[in-house]
Amino acid sequence: AQKVTQAQTEISVVEKEDVTLDCVYETRDTTYYLFWYKQPPSGELVFLIRRNSFDEQNEISGRYSWNFQKSTSSFNFTITASQVVDSAVYFCALSEAIYNFNKFYFGSGTKLNVKP
Amino acid sequence: DTAVSQTPKYLVTQMGNDKSIKCEQNLGHDTMYWYKQDSKKFLKIMFSYNNKELIINETVPNRFSPKSPDKAHLNLHINSLELGDSAVYFCASSPSIAGDGDEQFFGPGTRLTVL
Repeated sequence: AQKVTQAQTEISVVEKEDVTLDCVYETRDTTYYLFWYKQPPSGELVFLIRRNSFDEQNEISGRYSWNFQKSTSSFNFTITASQVVDSAVYFCALSEAIYNFNKFYFGSGTKLNVKP
Repeated sequence: DTAVSQTPKYLVTQMGNDKSIKCEQNLGHDTMYWYKQDSKKFLKIMFSYNNKELIINETVPNRFSPKSPDKAHLNLHINSLELGDSAVYFCASSPSIAGDGDEQFFGPGTRLTVL
């Protein structure tokens, strides 16, 4: 079974629209960490955010915000007023604390196309 | 200064050849990783080394052999290349191997094409 599911394979929006990328995870650990990475067309992987399982506070960073809900095992990512530069593949990842050796389980990614 | 660097960036080779990809990090991290990203963008861990010691070895064919001469370097050697090895290979590093949720810093990737 996949530990991280990103059901949206590809999303297309027009600039200035808001868009939410979904991430659902599965773990039996009580201590775990969730991440979002961005992979722009140039190919590198850029770290966006880390959240630990004990901190359910939502986070906002500029146009980016993250909604972590343990009750639904979700860690969704919203981009407000999207821009063309937001076009990329976005990956959600899970790291479990116990006997995990910092192993990341990545979702399959959501490709976001922002059109002018 | 590039934190995690990989060489080469592109590698095109014939089936059956042997090739190596090099990775270096200047972050002072203890732990390094190799990931494979397939044509559908799926990212999967292959290996993890901590202070030159192999920690994670996923189900990877024996043709893939990582080598860590020191904790700043993790190279990947691939023997008898097959068409299915075509992918982007990413090197990454993190401060430690502990399950403390350290972020991983990724290199720019090496696009391997096997003809």
